[in-house]
Amino acid sequence: EIVLTQSPGTLSLSPGERATLSCRASQSLNSIYLAWYQQKPGQAPRLLIYGASSRATGIPDRFNGSASGTDFTLTINRLEPEDFAVYYCQQYGSAPRTFGQGTKVEIK
Amino acid sequence: EVQLMESGGGLVQPGGSLRLSCSATGFTFSSYAMHWVRQAPGKGLEYVSGISHNGGDTYYADSMRGRFTISRDNSKNTLYLQMSSLRADDTAIYYCVRTHSNNWYSAQSFDYWGQGTLVTVSS
Repeated sequence: EIVLTQSPGTLSLSPGERATLSCRASQSLNSIYLAWYQQKPGQAPRLLIYGASSRATGIPDRFNGSASGTDFTLTINRLEPEDFAVYYCQQYGSAPRTFGQGTKVEIK
Repeated sequence: EVQLMESGGGLVQPGGSLRLSCSATGFTFSSYAMHWVRQAPGKGLEYVSGISHNGGDTYYADSMRGRFTISRDNSKNTLYLQMSSLRADDTAIYYCVRTHSNNWYSAQSFDYWGQGTLVTVSS
């Protein structure tokens, strides 16, 4: 099973700042099989990024994903008030599909 | 518009059983693999099970294998999760999820999620 470790656990930032979220895989992972999801309180997760760097339909271009080996990054440029949420990475290249433990982006 | 609507959650005693349903609309249900993902209160996401478009292939996470059964009725556009021998640590919101593929094992992200149904296992 591929373990995904996200860091930091919590990120305290102000609107307009840049958020950088990390996700590290425990073993080699084809980067095209890495996704990021956003979850707001009381809501279901929403797909943001798939294939490590492709934005899902309707996702603003301030959300960007990248990969380097077993390290994956989600960058949110110019945080908007609606971006404060919990973000999960997920690998979907092997079974079982696994998720990171999440990074909470909170308002500073 | 793709919509997934879970139902069937509730309070059940340890050792009991429960069947969850997920009604799908807005897409050709019989063409897509479907999955269940759960989230314990205040915790992260955990993959539960997946089923291919025709019901012919299924997969279960280790801790659910033998206790949970995923199935689907394509004539009713409905996904099911039969849960038995429930334990306190099965308490979670259960989400019905779609992948843009025919088969559960196809490497695709989870593109649509239902709002979830809460299962509470407690005496």
